[in-house]
Amino acid sequence: NAGVTQTPKFRVLKTGQSMTLLCAQDMNHEYMYWYRQDPGMGLRLIHYSVGEGTTAKGEVPDGYNVSRLKKQNFLLGLESAAPSQTSVYFCASAPQGDTEAFFGQGTRLTVV
Amino acid sequence: AQSVTQLDSHVSVSEGTPVLLRCNYSSSYSPSLFWYVQHPNKGLQLLLKYTSAATLVKGINGFEAEFKKSETSFHLTKPSAHMSDAAEYFCVVSPFSGGYNKLIFGAGTRLAVHP
Repeated sequence: NAGVTQTPKFRVLKTGQSMTLLCAQDMNHEYMYWYRQDPGMGLRLIHYSVGEGTTAKGEVPDGYNVSRLKKQNFLLGLESAAPSQTSVYFCASAPQGDTEAFFGQGTRLTVV
Repeated sequence: AQSVTQLDSHVSVSEGTPVLLRCNYSSSYSPSLFWYVQHPNKGLQLLLKYTSAATLVKGINGFEAEFKKSETSFHLTKPSAHMSDAAEYFCVVSPFSGGYNKLIFGAGTRLAVHP
């Protein structure tokens, strides 16, 4: 039972570098989300998608872009990484609105 | 606007004693409410959820929560703490608006359990 899989699990970037985080789910869920987790702040929504080909901004979208070309995948891109983007990133998926979300194991990103 | 407040950032209990993690929410609509648990260096796992059925919700590992609309609260309890309960707990509100599931997270409560 794979569920929600995030790659990579760890990454160190230099300021200004770019990278893409991949989230894959095998549960045929419509909704997918990207969150970042910082100490004392809970999880904050970066971007989300309510279906293949759709994306929308969450609470903290600046500096990130996303794409949902296939239903099972949700990509999070950092075009020019900044130290403020050092965080743990979680992807989640849900069958529909107002339902339980299933989370990946997280990606720990450090920008130096 | 919808929001959720976890009233304690840290809670410390002795093994075998009751656990109470407090959560208050604000929502313009009838919300769904969740508690998630995160063990160190792990992802998030659903403990329980309230979706307008019974106001007392039972979850996994002996946890339960009571939805009190008049107090806008959804406190998490467990009669007897176990060492394995040490983790961070998140209260989450998902307002029912007919649209997307935004899952608004509280800041978290770190539970420590001492022998």
